[in-house]
Amino acid sequence: QITLKESGPTLVKPTQTLTLTCTFSGFSLSTSGVGVGWIRQPPGKALEWLALLFWDDDNRYSPSLKSRLTVTKDTSKNQVVLTMTNLDPVDTATYYCAHRRTMSGGIYYFDYWGQGTLVTVSS
Amino acid sequence: QSVLTQPPSASGTPGQRVTISCSGSTSNIGFNTVNWYQQLPGAAPKLLIYRNNQRPSGVPDRFSGSKSGTSASLAISGLQSEDEADYYCEAWDDSLKGPVFGGGTKLTVL
Repeated sequence: QITLKESGPTLVKPTQTLTLTCTFSGFSLSTSGVGVGWIRQPPGKALEWLALLFWDDDNRYSPSLKSRLTVTKDTSKNQVVLTMTNLDPVDTATYYCAHRRTMSGGIYYFDYWGQGTLVTVSS
Repeated sequence: QSVLTQPPSASGTPGQRVTISCSGSTSNIGFNTVNWYQQLPGAAPKLLIYRNNQRPSGVPDRFSGSKSGTSASLAISGLQSEDEADYYCEAWDDSLKGPVFGGGTKLTVL
């Protein structure tokens, strides 16, 4: 059974750096075809993809946020960490991590999601 | 502004069939598969359809997906009150080198 859970601060001041941890179970990030993604959702708004980290250490970032994002993994702890710099109130959102399944033939999808964690950026 | 375009709202009465569209381009839907997610109020998104028309285990066959060219559709037949939720389409974008989501469609069961 695959589960994921996000953890981190609920309140961050503008210009500060946000560090979120996704702790997962039921899969290994060293297994071929597996990835973990970060997606956020501002209150009342749509989902926005942020970053992806794959089993082979390939990582992808949203072009609009690439300069502010870093995603790393600790395979021994079953964790993926997202760091976002220079926070602004518009970054207030619920942040989700999700298991990304990759299959041959260009088939990809997020099949398991964490519960999400609400991060508020305010002074 | 989302890369994939969905109508902001849709509605239907119990038992009806509703469809939700998702429009993209050749860099995403045109050459990649489409996924659909259901987000119930206050909950995390849940995978509803993957690979254009495949249902994960546990998803009722009332939900179906299709794709043609650079557009995709989600159909819900036999609409039920518990289907009231936000629905998002998603596809890999070859230009952006990452997944892109639609703006979401809020489904209301009247």
